[in-house]
Amino acid sequence: NAGVTQTPKFQVLKTGQSMTLQCAQDMNHNSMYWYRQDPGMGLRLIYYSASEGTTDKGEVPNGYNVSRLNKREFSLRLESAAPSQTSVYFCASSQVRGDSPLHFGNGTRLTVT
Amino acid sequence: QQQVKQSPQSLIVQKGGISIINCAYENTAFDYFPWYQQFPGKGPALLIAIRPDVSEKKEGRFTISFNKSAKQFSLHIMDSQPGDSATYFCAAQGNTGGFKTIFGAGTRLFVKA
Repeated sequence: NAGVTQTPKFQVLKTGQSMTLQCAQDMNHNSMYWYRQDPGMGLRLIYYSASEGTTDKGEVPNGYNVSRLNKREFSLRLESAAPSQTSVYFCASSQVRGDSPLHFGNGTRLTVT
Repeated sequence: QQQVKQSPQSLIVQKGGISIINCAYENTAFDYFPWYQQFPGKGPALLIAIRPDVSEKKEGRFTISFNKSAKQFSLHIMDSQPGDSATYFCAAQGNTGGFKTIFGAGTRLFVKA
């Protein structure tokens, strides 16, 4: 039982390059999320998918796109990377309940030069 | 904008001491308040959580105190140990237009041996 798996673990991009961060969960959760973590700012929600087939913007969606490929997989795409997108990105999943905690992957550390 | 304010930003405690982290929220629609613990290089993991219909929840050395009227809650770590050194995030969750979790900015705890 792997939980939430994110790939890659590390990535360096040049400004303007594109990439896709992959996330998969094996807990049969309906909801999946992408957060970014920056020093002193906590975790900020980029996009989420409450259930398969739906996606919605979070607090900081600009510059990102997402795809809920199936119930297990939720990818985050940077079409044209900018230095402001240097961050640690976390994928999470949960049941669709108000008292259901988030289960996080171990993150992708992205540097944009 | 929905916010969760967390303090202090960093905390140094002697081994065996009590660590206290405080959080305040604004939106009364939140109905689930988890605390997450994060070690370097790892994703956050649920530590303990509380619903607003109780004023306190204790699990081992970890206690959440909740004050609904003041919209404040706090984490107390009794008999703090070096292994507790980590970053702690408070969060608030509820059906605020989708089940989204809003995080505090985080507290870096260092327990001195």
